[in-house]
Amino acid sequence: DAGVIQSPRHEVTEMGQEVTLRCKPISGHDYLFWYRQTMMRGLELLIYFNNNVPIDDSGMPEDRFSAKMPNASFSTLKIQPSEPRDSAVYFCASSLAYGEGTDTQYFGPGTRLTVL
Amino acid sequence: AQSVTQPDIHITVSEGASLELRCNYSYGATPYLFWYVQSPGQGLQLLLKYFSGDTLVQGIKGFEAEFKRSQSSFNLRKPSVHWSDAAEYFCAVGAFSGGSYIPTFGRGTSLIVHP
Repeated sequence: DAGVIQSPRHEVTEMGQEVTLRCKPISGHDYLFWYRQTMMRGLELLIYFNNNVPIDDSGMPEDRFSAKMPNASFSTLKIQPSEPRDSAVYFCASSLAYGEGTDTQYFGPGTRLTVL
Repeated sequence: AQSVTQPDIHITVSEGASLELRCNYSYGATPYLFWYVQSPGQGLQLLLKYFSGDTLVQGIKGFEAEFKRSQSSFNLRKPSVHWSDAAEYFCAVGAFSGGSYIPTFGRGTSLIVHP
C-alpha cells in the first residue's frame, strides 16, 4: 500500500481565498483523522471520522473550517475564507477499526499551508 | 482531560551516546501510551506503544520505553544514538472515544545528534 496520501504537499494562497486539502487513507482503514501542527500550539486534532461519519469535530477552530468524507477512500479539509493564522502543516492519518489495531495511526506526509 | 508533558524542547547528544527522552502524562484511567517520531518534512511514525503487560516495551529502530505508573512517566531510551535518529519525538496518551484511541500529543522534543 502507498500509505496515506495527501495533496497538495505545499499550498500558498492569499488571505480570503478558499483552500481545499485532500487525503486518501490507507485502504481498509475505518478511521480518518485531520491534525494541524504549528510551532505555537503543537499537534492538534481537528476532526476524525469513523466509516465516513464525523465523530468528533470539537477541535475544528471555527466555522471557516469544514471537513467531509464522501467515501472510504477520500476526505477533504476546506478553509473558507483563509487567514494568515491558518498557516500550518495539516496532517491526515488513518487507522484500523477497534479490535484490529485501532491504536496505531498512520500519518500522511502533510500539507504545508501558507496564507499570505 | 488527558495531557502529556515533554519537559525538554531540545536534546543534544553525540553519536554513539545513550539517550533518554522524558514524558509525563495525566490521565484518569489506565493510560494507552505512545511514542512517535517525525523526521523533517515527514508525517509521524509510531515507534512503540504500551497498554498493559511488561512495563518495558521494545519498539522499532532500537528504541525502548518504560512505563512507571508511580511517576506517571513513559520515558523513551536508546543505548546508542545514530545520526539518523535526529528528528522530533512525540509522546502521546490515548483516550478511548468513539471506538478508537484518540491520542493527545505532547509538544515534542527535538533531538540533535552531533558527530
